[in-house]
Amino acid sequence: AAGVIQSPRHLIKEKRETATLKCYPIPRHDTVYWYQQGPGQDPQFLISFYEKMQSDKGSIPDRFSAQQFSDYHSELNMSSLELGDSALYFCASTLRTGRRSGNTIYFGEGSWLTVV
Amino acid sequence: KNQVEQSPQSLIILEGKNCTLQCNYTVSPFSNLRWYKQDTGRGPVSLTIMTFSENTKSNGRYTATLDADTKQSSLHITASQLSDSASYICVVSAASGAGSYQLTFGKGTKLSVIP
Repeated sequence: AAGVIQSPRHLIKEKRETATLKCYPIPRHDTVYWYQQGPGQDPQFLISFYEKMQSDKGSIPDRFSAQQFSDYHSELNMSSLELGDSALYFCASTLRTGRRSGNTIYFGEGSWLTVV
Repeated sequence: KNQVEQSPQSLIILEGKNCTLQCNYTVSPFSNLRWYKQDTGRGPVSLTIMTFSENTKSNGRYTATLDADTKQSSLHITASQLSDSASYICVVSAASGAGSYQLTFGKGTKLSVIP
């Protein structure tokens, strides 16, 4: 079965550069979440989208932006990168429409960003 | 503030033994509780998902319990295998209005199964 696809898997950038991470949710899933997980840390919620509209916003820095496109894939854009942005960035997807609770959330393998 | 606390922080057990991981939460309004297994550097993989009305749910050698009154959950692993070595993360979902949900992650329990 298709899973959540993230690209690139690994990315090395210099400080003050820009990076873009992509997420392709499971087909027919209508909700995408983005999380940031620092080394040894629990995932921190950044932002989520439902039906191509932003639905929740967490601890996403102003230097970051994200959007969900018409084909439901999502991109996380990060500018003016800082050393502290080095982390594993997860995307997750689920089908929310018509479900009150109990919907399984599937995570991608993550994109490793290293800022040097 | 919604919080999820997990214990122990780390655990080492012998292969074949059982173990129980704990999760306490203060999340409102509660929607559901999920247990994930996360291998180092990989994405979390769902083990179980429990709603308010469910007390116990099994998935192979994994059995999760939920006490919504005390806001506690446990994950019991039976007959552990070396491949069970991973971080186990408790994630609690809260309804945040307009049909959306917020997930609060615990810091995880790092389980090491040794031969």
